[in-house]
Amino acid sequence: GAVVSQHPSRVICKSGTSVKIECRSLDFQATTMFWYRQFPKKSLMLMATSNEGSKATYEQGVEKDKFLINHASLTLSTLTVTSAHPEDSSFYICSAWDPATNEKLFFGSGTQLSVL
Amino acid sequence: QKEVEQDPGPLSVPEGAIVSLNCTYSNSAFQYFMWYRQYSRKGPELLMYTYSSGNKEDGRFTAQVDKSSKYISLFIRDSQPSDSATYLCATRGSTLGRLYFGRGTQLTVWP
Repeated sequence: GAVVSQHPSRVICKSGTSVKIECRSLDFQATTMFWYRQFPKKSLMLMATSNEGSKATYEQGVEKDKFLINHASLTLSTLTVTSAHPEDSSFYICSAWDPATNEKLFFGSGTQLSVL
Repeated sequence: QKEVEQDPGPLSVPEGAIVSLNCTYSNSAFQYFMWYRQYSRKGPELLMYTYSSGNKEDGRFTAQVDKSSKYISLFIRDSQPSDSATYLCATRGSTLGRLYFGRGTQLTVWP
């Protein structure tokens, strides 16, 4: 299946700093990528849809100024958590459609963010 | 009512047992059904993918969809300790449509 690479796998930062998470589609182009957030023992919560060359579409309740998404190329989408606070601590996962069929969603390995 | 309901468990079974994981969904327009396996602190991995009603088998795994009752099942035969993970069901209505996830069921298979 399609491979989605996510970096870093874990990040610890101080409150007030910004953190950037990268999501890359390997060997395929992804015009659309998705960013999810997951709390312990909870399901995936869709945060936003990242569209190459245009603005991201955010889900209701997700602060677009807090979670900046940039999809500058067909293989890279980034999520920047700005002025991070402890409540932003969570597991963030990106995903992209399988390019062969556009029917299956493949996920990155996730990023555990801990804000002190 | 949530789009997809899934009992979070936890579920604990001995090695070799048959495991049954289930979800229900609310929207009759959903046509694509998936099961993902997620190990701790890892991204979900697509395990099974089915379209519309019916069964699909892949090795020890069988996915079953009953659209009349809006019921999705995943059966694991001869379960192994390596099957210990969280299993998430997911569904959507159309190609490239939004995916709706269940909460995930935490499964432990003990030797």
